[in-house]
Amino acid sequence: TQLLEQSPQFLSIQEGENLTVYCNSSSVFSSLQWYRQEPGEGPVLLVTVVTGGEVKKLKRLTFQFGDARKDSSLHITAAQPGDTGLYLCAGAGSSNTGKLIFGQGTTLQVKP
Amino acid sequence: KAGVTQTPRYLIKTRGQQVTLSCSPISGHRSVSWYQQTPGQGLQFLFEYFSETQRNKGNFPGRFSGRQFSNSRSEMNVSTLELGDSALYLCASSSVFDGYTFGSGTRLTVV
Repeated sequence: TQLLEQSPQFLSIQEGENLTVYCNSSSVFSSLQWYRQEPGEGPVLLVTVVTGGEVKKLKRLTFQFGDARKDSSLHITAAQPGDTGLYLCAGAGSSNTGKLIFGQGTTLQVKP
Repeated sequence: KAGVTQTPRYLIKTRGQQVTLSCSPISGHRSVSWYQQTPGQGLQFLFEYFSETQRNKGNFPGRFSGRQFSNSRSEMNVSTLELGDSALYLCASSSVFDGYTFGSGTRLTVV
């Protein structure tokens, strides 16, 4: 059974601070995705990483896929209150069957 | 391009009843997946349909079923509802080119 361990589960920081969210597994994924979800809404895709060691940047967000494609991290620089939300990582297996394995999520609160 | 549309947004049902949820994918997307989201278990995969065929299924009891129509719209059905079925049910449509797009979900409350 493929599992994704996401940490930390909760994070409350002040505006301007940096943070990192981790997503780890003992399984290899063909790709890993990061989503952000607002209360009462569906997750919105932020980025997909496919290649081991890949780094992608989205403004103040930096995403990294581990060399062995078993882990990933999301780093936010100078967090802002608008970054508040639930961040989810999700891994896709080797077969293209539409099944994503989700981590438990990280609830981020950025206080002004 | 219109997004993924899920109806209804909210639903209250009584234990023992059945419910049908609907999902209209992004035009051109042939794959539709369903997920259950609860505070305790997070997002869990229910099943995925591609071109009217169930391609993958998660570890949920047989009370949970789904289908996909020729226009790619999908429905999921839960029979004999239990209190523990209360959750946000999300569907996602996907394509090789666009990746996954989730709908806003249907909030089901079983009383």
